[in-house]
Amino acid sequence: QTQLQESGPGMVKTSETLSLTCSVSGGSFRLFYWSWVRQSAGKGLEWIGHTQTTGKTYYNPSLKSRVTMSLDKSKNQFSLKLSSVTAADTAVYYCARVEGPSFCGDAGCLWYMDVWGKGTTVTVSS
Amino acid sequence: QLVLTQSPSASASLGGSVKLTCSLSSRHSGAAIAWLQHQPEKSPRFLMSLDSDGNHDRGDGVPDRFSGSSSGADRYLTISSLQSDDEADYYCQAWGSGIEVFGGGTKLTVL
Repeated sequence: QTQLQESGPGMVKTSETLSLTCSVSGGSFRLFYWSWVRQSAGKGLEWIGHTQTTGKTYYNPSLKSRVTMSLDKSKNQFSLKLSSVTAADTAVYYCARVEGPSFCGDAGCLWYMDVWGKGTTVTVSS
Repeated sequence: QLVLTQSPSASASLGGSVKLTCSLSSRHSGAAIAWLQHQPEKSPRFLMSLDSDGNHDRGDGVPDRFSGSSSGADRYLTISSLQSDDEADYYCQAWGSGIEVFGGGTKLTVL
């Protein structure tokens, strides 16, 4: 059974870079895409990006200029770096496994997050 | 651009049932979606994937009280025999043009 665990600083200073790591245990690391999602207080879920061991990445266009995702296959870990953070980046950050493609049709295929980490709270302050 | 629209809130009685709706933008009316449950202080939980014909695959351990259906651009999540811990935020999610999109979520209150 695949399990995911986020780790990283709980506090980051304004304008600095937020760095988080997700450790994956159980299951195959190479076969899947891996994702970061966040939720700010009182708001909904916001997708940050997907990454895969082939190096393929997809980023949320609204965050793309500040996001870098990478993987360490030897450690079954993937990471998130978000630069130039502001208070608006204060959120609970979740890592997740991406399953798919499924239900492929004329409208494309579905990729979805089926296994989630517990989440880690990151506060941005000056 | 893919947009998923959900009502902000819903309520239903303990032991009853409720049908939540996720509406896809018209250009993407044939897309499949996933339903997620997000209980307070927990991480999101995958409930099921659901296509435009109403075919759905539940996640591991998800009881059959949770079912999915579709009509046109609308995707539904029906929860029957409501329990108190079904009180949660429910999100739909879909993939389009290299972007993962979430609906705004529906906060379900169990009365």
